[in-house]
Amino acid sequence: QQQVKQSPQSLIVQKGGISIINCAYENTAFDYFPWYQQFPGKGPALLIAIRPDVSEKKEGRFTISFNKSAKQFSLHIMDSQPGDSATYFCAAAVSLSGGGADGLTFGKGTHLIIQP
Amino acid sequence: NAGVTQTPKFRVLKTGQSMTLLCAQDMNHEYMYWYRQDPGMGLRLIHYSVGEGTTAKGEVPDGYNVSRLKKQNFLLGLESAAPSQTSVYFCASSRPTPYNEQFFGPGTRLTVL
Repeated sequence: QQQVKQSPQSLIVQKGGISIINCAYENTAFDYFPWYQQFPGKGPALLIAIRPDVSEKKEGRFTISFNKSAKQFSLHIMDSQPGDSATYFCAAAVSLSGGGADGLTFGKGTHLIIQP
Repeated sequence: NAGVTQTPKFRVLKTGQSMTLLCAQDMNHEYMYWYRQDPGMGLRLIHYSVGEGTTAKGEVPDGYNVSRLKKQNFLLGLESAAPSQTSVYFCASSRPTPYNEQFFGPGTRLTVL
């Protein structure tokens, strides 16, 4: 049972455009939703994360939108640049304060290409 | 600080051979994790540890064993490697903060022939 569904699998965006990646989750106990960025040959690195008590979080060009009732969250990359070309993973977890410590549940990833 | 390091970076095994992957972190993190990454599958949790001397099973633990004898090290063992264990293995660590930010190592690419 896939608990975090991510779409699209791949995405091509022109430089300066907006990249949008969507995720949906099933486990209502999840209360921590990070996005990770991975470049080829490297480990994933935390990009931005959100908790369900807010509907949006913005850090620079990266924004997470969160819809608790729909159990969906998305990553928006504004003014996309060629350097943003990478694989992006959404994830979800039950926070430690919520009784969880057993790691992250990841989506399958989105391969993003920003064309110059 | 080196962060999270993994040894080796690459390895080729024959079916039935055994090996141990080493993860080390210098951030004094309590929690450590082993994930595997397969094409189109994202990352899946194999085993994890919430402290020295403790381990627990994740989503895909079969065929793997782990040990956490020292706080800074987390070992992943394959007793009898199978081609299905061909994958990239990532170690991660975190502090026991309410929101569990995990820091990942660079990965070990394992091929089982």
